[in-house]
Amino acid sequence: DTGVSQDPRHKITKRGQNVTFRCDPISEHNRLYWYRQTLGQGPEFLTYFQNEAQLEKSRLLSDRFSAERPKGSFSTLEIQRTEQGDSAMYLCASSPGASQGGNSPLHFGNGTRLTVT
Amino acid sequence: AQKITQTQPGMFVQEKEAVTLDCTYDTSDQSYGLFWYKQPSSGEMIFLIYQGSYDEQNATEGRYSLNFQKARKSANLVISASQLGDSAMYFCAMREGYRNTGGFKTIFGAGTRLFVKA
Repeated sequence: DTGVSQDPRHKITKRGQNVTFRCDPISEHNRLYWYRQTLGQGPEFLTYFQNEAQLEKSRLLSDRFSAERPKGSFSTLEIQRTEQGDSAMYLCASSPGASQGGNSPLHFGNGTRLTVT
Repeated sequence: AQKITQTQPGMFVQEKEAVTLDCTYDTSDQSYGLFWYKQPSSGEMIFLIYQGSYDEQNATEGRYSLNFQKARKSANLVISASQLGDSAMYFCAMREGYRNTGGFKTIFGAGTRLFVKA
């Protein structure tokens, strides 16, 4: 168990540019989650996957955000035409599925801190 | 709609004393799970304790206990014998049971920042 890995740790980009983040979950976990966290606030749910299926996407998420998990392993989160309001920490988490202990806690990565200038 | 409320933005506690962090939730599901996480200034999210909606006993994990009052929809975290290292943000979270999609998400409250005084 090497934990949840996120890359990059930090990203600075200019407004209007596209950015992509990667998350590698714990290998035996089939659920993967993306959250956004701003300073002093709780993680805000963005979307989650069970295997390769994206089961839910937050209504707060604009069309500029898209996430994929093509083979049910790693996931990418892309933000197109970034805005200053996108500056935040983007957290990825994984957990086992119901058959593996459906109430297991989320295991979080260290996050990707995005700064849009 | 699913919702978690933490009404205490900040709390102070004297070292070695106990402290209670409040959490109320709202859900229409009968099956759900409640979690508490700790986030130190270093940023990592650390799982502390879990309570299932059907669990009759309050969960305990070392110095952490969860005061679960289902009828009131509250799941308060009690930290006994506070230590300086307990200073951190604490988040209450809820995961609902299966929906039509066969999956479920976890949502978080806004958090409580705990300061432990020496």
